[in-house]
Amino acid sequence: KAGVTQTPRYLIKTRGQQVTLSCSPISGHRSVSWYQQTPGQGLQFLFEYFSETQRNKGNFPGRFSGRQFSNSRSEMNVSTLELGDSALYLCASSFTHGDSGNTIYFGEGSWLTVV
Amino acid sequence: EDKVVQSPLSLVVHEGDTVTLNCSYEVTNFRSLLWYKQEKKAPTFLFMLTSSGIEKKSGRLSSILDKKELFSILNITATQTGDSAVYLCAPIYGQNFVFGPGTRLSVLP
Repeated sequence: KAGVTQTPRYLIKTRGQQVTLSCSPISGHRSVSWYQQTPGQGLQFLFEYFSETQRNKGNFPGRFSGRQFSNSRSEMNVSTLELGDSALYLCASSFTHGDSGNTIYFGEGSWLTVV
Repeated sequence: EDKVVQSPLSLVVHEGDTVTLNCSYEVTNFRSLLWYKQEKKAPTFLFMLTSSGIEKKSGRLSSILDKKELFSILNITATQTGDSAVYLCAPIYGQNFVFGPGTRLSVLP
């Protein structure tokens, strides 16, 4: 079956703009999590959605937001972009977030560069 | 506060060496632990460990969990340059999981 699909794969934005990233989870998966990874850094948890509801949120400013649709596809939005927002944004899907019977699958990520 | 510690954070070895990567965790309502390998893009799944003392193996990689002492190790034998990557562990607890900072392994020819 198809894996986790993220779009766009690469994008360049200027400071002050906003960006929307999309994630389509594996069919049947209802949990979608988002992570930010900057060069040399580990995975920083942004938020997690399950059945259209945000269940968990990391320590990011309000400029970072997300949502999930009824088909489990998720989007994240970053407003008023800053240079420090340049990063790889990864989406992960699982049947049930944290369910020990299911593993977590990552998309290829969206590389965002803010200039 | 829940936390995950991986050690060492960085490791440089030569091809053929054996390495042991460590992951210790302090979380409530622990359920299982995942290991991932991340090269230049998204992490790829290696192992899921749920029971203590049962070794999981995949080729030259193996991993084991100790739920009493709250840690897991990932072993790689006869390392190859293709093993160079960041190795991440992630305990699953309650309805959550959290990634450790990762161990950056560099295997020199």
